[in-house]
Amino acid sequence: LAKTTQPISMDSYEGQEVNITCSHNNIATNDYITWYQQFPSQGPRFIIQGYKTKVTNEVASLFIPADRKSSTLSLPRVSLSDTAVYYCLVGDGIGGNKLVFGAGTILRVKS
Amino acid sequence: NAGVTQTPKFQVLKTGQSMTLQCAQDMNHNSMYWYRQDPGMGLRLIYYSASEGTTDKGEVPNGYNVSRLNKREFSLRLESAAPSQTSVYFCASSEALLVEGLTQYFGPGTRLTVL
Repeated sequence: LAKTTQPISMDSYEGQEVNITCSHNNIATNDYITWYQQFPSQGPRFIIQGYKTKVTNEVASLFIPADRKSSTLSLPRVSLSDTAVYYCLVGDGIGGNKLVFGAGTILRVKS
Repeated sequence: NAGVTQTPKFQVLKTGQSMTLQCAQDMNHNSMYWYRQDPGMGLRLIYYSASEGTTDKGEVPNGYNVSRLNKREFSLRLESAAPSQTSVYFCASSEALLVEGLTQYFGPGTRLTVL
């Protein structure tokens, strides 16, 4: 399973765009890149998923360069309620679904 | 549509006691999972069930057993609780064994303390 590396923490202010980058140098051909969000005392929640190029939904955008060795989660105009831990996962789920969540990135949004 | 539900929300056990954590999903998902999350860390997979009638070990299965009771329910049992099992336990489900990606739906968690 491809290992991921993310910053431990980031600080931002309300209304700013936040970009969190995840490195996954050993990503395999069949692997997808998925981001989850976790608030304190809650289970993780799916944010966005992609395989290559750019994916956008109502919550975030995911940018994946051609070599797929990294990806960037972009949160437009963050608010205080976006303060959470963000996890980057890489894998295809096949062969046992041994999903591994790293420590994630703690995003703190300030007013 | 409640999604994934877990009971109990909180539990305190003494070392050596046993208990079962319950999980149910109402999304007609085939696959279900149990994770544990220790303070300041990510989630680690304990066991999973690809479909009704099958279960397999994850990253940290020692000290746990699971039962896929039916398509909706997946329970996690601690036969003899140890302080090292103090953690938050999350149940999750997905349509299939994530062959098309990594999208899981998580429950609210059970906070377990073993004294």
